[in-house]
Amino acid sequence: GQQVMQIPQYQHVQEGEDFTTYCNSSTTLSNIQWYKQRPGGHPVFLIQLVKSGEVKKQKRLTFQFGEAKKNSSLHITATQTTDVGTYFCAALHGSSNTGKLIFGQGTTLQVKP
Amino acid sequence: EAQVTQNPRYLITVTGKKLTVTCSQNMNHEYMSWYRQDPGLGLRQIYYSMNVEVTDKGDVPEGYKVSRKEKRNFPLILESPSPNQTSLYFCASSLGGSRPSYNEQFFGPGTRLTVL
Repeated sequence: GQQVMQIPQYQHVQEGEDFTTYCNSSTTLSNIQWYKQRPGGHPVFLIQLVKSGEVKKQKRLTFQFGEAKKNSSLHITATQTTDVGTYFCAALHGSSNTGKLIFGQGTTLQVKP
Repeated sequence: EAQVTQNPRYLITVTGKKLTVTCSQNMNHEYMSWYRQDPGLGLRQIYYSMNVEVTDKGDVPEGYKVSRKEKRNFPLILESPSPNQTSLYFCASSLGGSRPSYNEQFFGPGTRLTVL
């Protein structure tokens, strides 16, 4: 079945270093969403990408959707301790009018102060 | 305050004892969904509902039931829980409409279930 692979599973960085997580699919995606889950918390929506090659920024976070709409990335510049958590991508499974969503396995970010 | 609530937040039970986890949202959302979260596996969709009386299977529906009799509530039922259903469960809701998966999902606080 359709899968969304997310790498790496874990990343430890020193505060101030950059961080990137990647999501890859074998099939073309209609859209991709990104969520952040703080330790002990619930996932919180960050952003959605829909267009081929789309790039969106939220302060130090940059989100990209690949030209072929088969991959996406989240890049954090100059990490801070508040960035700690698990980042998930989520994509539609099947046609655009279904409610079936697939999440990546998540990337857990640890930031050393 | 706009929110998704789940109850209970924590539950320890034994194999075979039926249980229900409730989920309620106050945002008049059409779409609701249940997920389970396990280490290394991310979030996996169990069931979802596009509107009242409409439910569909997600990726891991075996051993679970749901119902959507009212717009605001979407309970998750485990008729005969087994240890492999020990997990962290999240309920979520979103606006829905013709392209429900294009909308931001709002998640509840989670229910940590242990089946002995």
